[in-house]
Amino acid sequence: DTAVSQTPKYLVTQMGNDKSIKCEQNLGHDTMYWYKQDSKKFLKIMFSYNNKELIINETVPNRFSPKSPDKAHLNLHINSLELGDSAVYFCASSRRGYEQYFGPGTRLTVT
Amino acid sequence: GQNIDQPTEMTATEGAIVQINCTYQTSGFNGLFWYQQHAGEAPTFLSYNVLDGLEEKGRFSSFLSRSKGYSYLLLKELQMKDSASYLCAAPFGSGYNKLIFGAGTRLAVHP
Repeated sequence: DTAVSQTPKYLVTQMGNDKSIKCEQNLGHDTMYWYKQDSKKFLKIMFSYNNKELIINETVPNRFSPKSPDKAHLNLHINSLELGDSAVYFCASSRRGYEQYFGPGTRLTVT
Repeated sequence: GQNIDQPTEMTATEGAIVQINCTYQTSGFNGLFWYQQHAGEAPTFLSYNVLDGLEEKGRFSSFLSRSKGYSYLLLKELQMKDSASYLCAAPFGSGYNKLIFGAGTRLAVHP
């Protein structure tokens, strides 16, 4: 009965590859998010969707493309991976304006 | 603009009380969140203050002063398992979905 789940948990890949991370929530929330946490542990918002509509799009390279097929799912596709993309990516969900619940994170390592 | 500051590291002794401070400067105030993040895990919600004063929740309490742009998290009867990072965060934007996080305070509890 996991609330927010992400796959994969670990992802090791080479520069230039394209990869996707998937997120699902079963909390009935209407808003989902992607965050990036870098090596200094700074957590920064990347994207947010409300009812499948993109509502937050921070200054993120356009190699990153989120997609929300429905309210319970938010995926993140990354093209042409670079070394600097190495980080932990967290998915989160909430009712709009309320506390956010985070998934376990995907640790991406680009070599 | 938005700016959130908190100390980088703190240490405390098991059984003691510790106060973790957070100051913020925002163009609009929509409340303040505290999250706990254990190493290698996801952030988990601790508290949300939108009005001035102290909110108590078991061993953890959170205080807010909107006029001073200041909040603190108070942890009582410290346990070893309280060793974690504590993240202060403020919501912005339409629907208050955009959470801006401080860099986090890494708390180490010693026997």
